Amino acid sequence: ILNVEQSPQSLHVQEGDSTNFTCSFPSSNFYALHWYRWETAKSPEALFVMTLNGDEKKKGRISATLNTKEGYSYLYIKGSQPEDSATYLCACRGGKLIFGQGTELSVKP
Amino acid sequence: DAGVIQSPRHEVTEMGQEVTLRCKPISGHDYLFWYRQTMMRGLELLIYFNNNVPIDDSGMPEDRFSAKMPNASFSTLKIQPSEPRDSAVYFCASLDSTNEKLFFGSGTQLSVL
Repeated sequence: ILNVEQSPQSLHVQEGDSTNFTCSFPSSNFYALHWYRWETAKSPEALFVMTLNGDEKKKGRISATLNTKEGYSYLYIKGSQPEDSATYLCACRGGKLIFGQGTELSVKP
Repeated sequence: DAGVIQSPRHEVTEMGQEVTLRCKPISGHDYLFWYRQTMMRGLELLIYFNNNVPIDDSGMPEDRFSAKMPNASFSTLKIQPSEPRDSAVYFCASLDSTNEKLFFGSGTQLSVL
């Protein structure tokens, strides 16, 4: 059984702050790690998929890293903007795709 | 491609009735996942298929829940009989394992009165 844990559960920051979230997962039977952005009343939107230990991905102000040996991934947002407010989900695939509970980010102007 | 298509978008039914949720995955995707979204558990995996074959249904909460995938372009999730505690948003998602791209449907908001 895969247990995917995310922290913190919620985060409130000011516009311009940089922030990061953590996703931890069992390192055994690992195939891929997904990050999603989820806004209320919408479907989750894919941000990154990483498969190799040491992978780093970047899209604009958002980046992510992966450590499969110790079972964690970080998501970073540089210079947070109010439009970044959303829930950020990670999911680990080792066959089945299991999601964490998410980190709810609120960025105040 | 129109993406993952779920129907209906909203379903309101009475306790004891049968409910069928439908999903059309993206053509060529070899995995299909059914999730239930609740406040308490977030996105909870119910069942997933690989090449139309059910692989793991350990997340299906009770025997009242069943899912089928008769072909590569269609899957159903059935609840019979439905109960108020089944009220939630149910998402279907399909994945192409060659590039690990996963797409979600718009979800079905189920309310059981």
